[in-house]
Amino acid sequence: AQSVTQPDIHITVSEGASLELRCNYSYGATPYLFWYVQSPGQGLQLLLKYFSGDTLVQGIKGFEAEFKRSQSSFNLRKPSVHWSDAAEYFCAVAPANQAGTALIFGKGTTLSVSS
Amino acid sequence: ETGVTQSPTHLIKTRGQQVTLRCSSQSGHNTVSWYQQALGQGPQFIFQYYREEENGRGNFPPRFSGLQFPNYSSELNVNALELDDSALYLCASSLNRDQPQHFGDGTRLSIL
Repeated sequence: AQSVTQPDIHITVSEGASLELRCNYSYGATPYLFWYVQSPGQGLQLLLKYFSGDTLVQGIKGFEAEFKRSQSSFNLRKPSVHWSDAAEYFCAVAPANQAGTALIFGKGTTLSVSS
Repeated sequence: ETGVTQSPTHLIKTRGQQVTLRCSSQSGHNTVSWYQQALGQGPQFIFQYYREEENGRGNFPPRFSGLQFPNYSSELNVNALELDDSALYLCASSLNRDQPQHFGDGTRLSIL
């Protein structure tokens, strides 16, 4: 069955420290991959996406993610975290060429930022 | 450019009642999807509409139904509400079925 696993439920990072959020997926073929961020009481904002090509993708707010086919992973990184990055982060997949169809989400990782 | 807007923001209903949630898609977007997000969970796909036709459905019972209008706005209807229907309902639109989805801020539905 298709699924997305985010192994870390909650992560706390010091402001200015680097961040890596993990995402593993189970899918029949290489899907489209996404990271979304959700602030309290808000909807989801698209941080970045991978469709094909360069396996290191850049997104908004200084985030990047690396697709590793051999590991079925799409980990999100940021070199220096800001207090405003505290939020819920969701990894999602969709069938290739169908980014606008049903997204399958992980359960999310809550990021807390300490001063 | 106006983003995805949803109404109402919050809603309280009792078991057995019916509810209609509304979504205005982003300008030019012809594809609308609805998701249910229970507390502490990731969103789960309910269904999608493409050019006014249902284009896919998740594992939700028939009492969850929807519509898409000629202007591509959409409604989610839920009949015979149950306590487990309490959740954040998210609407997402995309330019087409092969483009990323953009989400609204959701409607928080509470069932008493």
